[in-house]
Amino acid sequence: DAKTTQPTSMDCAEGRAANLPCNHSTISGNEYVYWYRQIHSQGPQYIIHGLKNNETNEMASLIITEDRKSSTLILPHATLRDTAVYYCIVRVANRDDKIIFGKGTRLHILP
Amino acid sequence: GAGVSQTPSNKVTEKGKYVELRCDPISGHTALYWYRQSLGQGPEFLIYFQGTGAADDSGLPNDRFFAVRPEGSVSTLKIQRTERGDSAVYLCASSPDARDTQYFGPGTRLTVL
Repeated sequence: DAKTTQPTSMDCAEGRAANLPCNHSTISGNEYVYWYRQIHSQGPQYIIHGLKNNETNEMASLIITEDRKSSTLILPHATLRDTAVYYCIVRVANRDDKIIFGKGTRLHILP
Repeated sequence: GAGVSQTPSNKVTEKGKYVELRCDPISGHTALYWYRQSLGQGPEFLIYFQGTGAADDSGLPNDRFFAVRPEGSVSTLKIQRTERGDSAVYLCASSPDARDTQYFGPGTRLTVL
């Protein structure tokens, strides 16, 4: 079973920041938080990952709480092309391991 | 550069038939994964290869499913005696090393009539 809990769906207005929450209360000390997204009819796309510090790249920012039991993915200026299912995953990095996906959050960007 | 490619993009077959699904990973990637995704669900792990060998096949649902990667590059997922319940999108992913980020292909949509 997936070790994360995400809302089933969310809406966000185009141009605004989209904040996607994820709970991972049973995360272990050596597990990272990964985010992937899946646009309709495409394969999942890697977005970002982090251990305990906040991370930012060209796609998004990842904010992890100090106790590491939850995190938020932030898309700073959402566009219609960001409409997708977003998956939050916990996984041990630097170890060969499959990804265990949950059902993710379906994000709708509204024009 | 070229990403992970999968062929065919769509496959329709009849119950009981045999099918092969192909995955071409990113050049140089040593790890290759197969996942299956049913409608409304997240992808579900099937099998992964490190090089030519299957390192973990714990996700294969039964012995009708088999996968090979004979030269450590292209992989083929083989399904014998297909059943309607096998209908799904079959996703392939590769990574430079099994410990790295996985990059997914667009998937093959299999429909068993």
